[in-house]
Amino acid sequence: DAKTTQPPSMDCAEGRAANLPCNHSTISGNEYVYWYRQIHSQGPQYIIHGLKNNETNEMASLIITEDRKSSTLILPHATLRDTAVYYCIVRSLLGGNNRLAFGKGNQVVVIP
Amino acid sequence: EAQVTQNPRYLITVTGKKLTVTCSQNMNHEYMSWYRQDPGLGLRQIYYSMNVEVTDKGDVPEGYKVSRKEKRNFPLILESPSPNQTSLYFCASSLSGQGFYGYTFGSGTRLTVV
Repeated sequence: DAKTTQPPSMDCAEGRAANLPCNHSTISGNEYVYWYRQIHSQGPQYIIHGLKNNETNEMASLIITEDRKSSTLILPHATLRDTAVYYCIVRSLLGGNNRLAFGKGNQVVVIP
Repeated sequence: EAQVTQNPRYLITVTGKKLTVTCSQNMNHEYMSWYRQDPGLGLRQIYYSMNVEVTDKGDVPEGYKVSRKEKRNFPLILESPSPNQTSLYFCASSLSGQGFYGYTFGSGTRLTVV
């Protein structure tokens, strides 16, 4: 699976959009981009995933660049409860083990 | 409510005393997996199961056993726990081991081995 690079931490203002970047320059054509978050030692929570088109759900939007080498997770209106470690993961659909390689993630702090 | 349930949430035990951490899901998921999380090392997969009676090693299987006799349950067994197995453990499930399905994680089990 391709490696991802995220900033180790960032602050966001409550009520504003939070844009979380992720670089995955070695991504291959059959690899999806997944985003999870983990709120202080709770189980990680699935947020969204995508292949090449932009995706949106009730939690967030995922913007993937045309060359697929980077993506941005957008939390439209950040709240204090969005403070968490956010993980950007790239995973191939080939192979049977649905294993997710969690890196160090991005510690996002939403500030009042 | 769709969920993955782990028990216990907290456990302190002594070296060598066999223990089992239970995991159960109510979503009829085929795929289940165990992860451990340690400071500086992140989340690492221990074992996984593609379906009933099908299990395989993940990245850090040493010192652990699993079984998958029923679809809903996937217990993690430590036959002879050691202090280096002190960790935060998560069970997760997914509709399938293939495809792009997301995981649902349990709330975690914090294990301390003294």
